[in-house]
Amino acid sequence: DAGITQSPRHKVTETGTPVTLRCHQTENHRYMYWYRQDPGHGLRLIHYSYGVKDTDKGEVSDGYSVSRSKTEDFLLTLESATSSQTSVYFCAISDSGLAGETGELFFGEGSRLTVL
Amino acid sequence: QQPVQSPQAVILREGEDAVINCSSSKALYSVHWYRQKHGEAPVFLMILLKGGEQKGHEKISASFNEKKQQSSLYLTASQLSYSGTYFCGTEGKDSSYKLIFGSGTRLLVRP
Repeated sequence: DAGITQSPRHKVTETGTPVTLRCHQTENHRYMYWYRQDPGHGLRLIHYSYGVKDTDKGEVSDGYSVSRSKTEDFLLTLESATSSQTSVYFCAISDSGLAGETGELFFGEGSRLTVL
Repeated sequence: QQPVQSPQAVILREGEDAVINCSSSKALYSVHWYRQKHGEAPVFLMILLKGGEQKGHEKISASFNEKKQQSSLYLTASQLSYSGTYFCGTEGKDSSYKLIFGSGTRLLVRP
């Protein structure tokens, strides 16, 4: 199994509070992703990183920020959590494929966030 | 934009076949397929590039029509273990390493 861990795995917080989710990998993969999963919407990309300090927005980036100061860590921050951000958050890692495509994504176990 | 998957859900008897389709409005470089069981993380099945066909490690194969920007996943002689939600992920030609997933197809295989 790919070495990827998410923390915390479960969190309950109140509206307006800041929240940071951490994704840590031991595979030295270049690419890291944050997705959120909600019923009926599948997996939606929030932000992704293609290297240390190199990040870009995904489909649903409003209200989220990310940072990657080291290859192994990718942090997702909700500056002021809202109830609409209640979701399961998955981190994923990958490297380039042989033809330069995005290689296989390895997913973390997910972090369930509830915003009251 | 999210790729469109069809059908949204399918119920099979063990041993029956199924096809799941994935369609995008953008020019694609690659298509990924993943399966997710309830309460677990998605797991990789296969990647397809440029009109190639690939076979998975089970009785699962897929095709990718680059011109039509469509991919199909074929599950033959389905087994109970095939139950789960299947997601296609698309990588656009103009957005490398940015994998966008469809909303998923729920598959239930009954004895």
